[in-house]
Amino acid sequence: DSGVTQTPKHLITATGQRVTLRCSPRSGDLSVYWYQQSLDQGLQFLIQYYNGEERAKGNILERFSAQQFPDLHSELNLSSLELGDSALYFCASSVAGETYTGELFFGEGSRLTVL
Amino acid sequence: EDQVTQSPEALRLQEGESSSLNCSYTVSGLRGLFWYRQDPGKGPEFLFTLYSAGEEKEKERLKATLTKKESFLHITAPKPEDSATYLCAVIQGAQKLVFGQGTRLTINP
Repeated sequence: DSGVTQTPKHLITATGQRVTLRCSPRSGDLSVYWYQQSLDQGLQFLIQYYNGEERAKGNILERFSAQQFPDLHSELNLSSLELGDSALYFCASSVAGETYTGELFFGEGSRLTVL
Repeated sequence: EDQVTQSPEALRLQEGESSSLNCSYTVSGLRGLFWYRQDPGKGPEFLFTLYSAGEEKEKERLKATLTKKESFLHITAPKPEDSATYLCAVIQGAQKLVFGQGTRLTINP
């Protein structure tokens, strides 16, 4: 158990809909990262927050947004969903603001299926 | 652009049969190479960080090594519980890890 909690574990929805994925980082970790994992793309970095502030952005679509709240939990909002958004979405956390140590603690993921 | 390529895509071994997984990278100014293990339906689990050529790290039956162009994950006398997908990654910019596609390792009893 990494200490990172993600909900929901599974989500099935229709095209055009909007969903919110939630992540609670490990106790004491200030950084939260979101990754998308699909069969053809592998693990892709979406966005990072550090202590409530956006720190880095990756290949995140404009239809997607995220935020980190004062209690450090984070939410990833996916809107106008398309079939291609079906994937596993992972949240990870670390203590520091940088990934220099490379040691991220990943949750078990939220599997999104768009029909 | 920074790239990470892992080979083979899949590897099937018998229990006790040692082998190596490869991770080649192209990155300007390597600041770290990382190995993770991922079990089906789970999130990746951190294994090692390597910072400079010649560095080695060990954990149980796994040993990771680093050269200027690639890293190897050596697995010695593997057991069925070592079956997993092994991912390597490098840092891009200051904040994100770029992952390879992984090697799916299966150890048959």
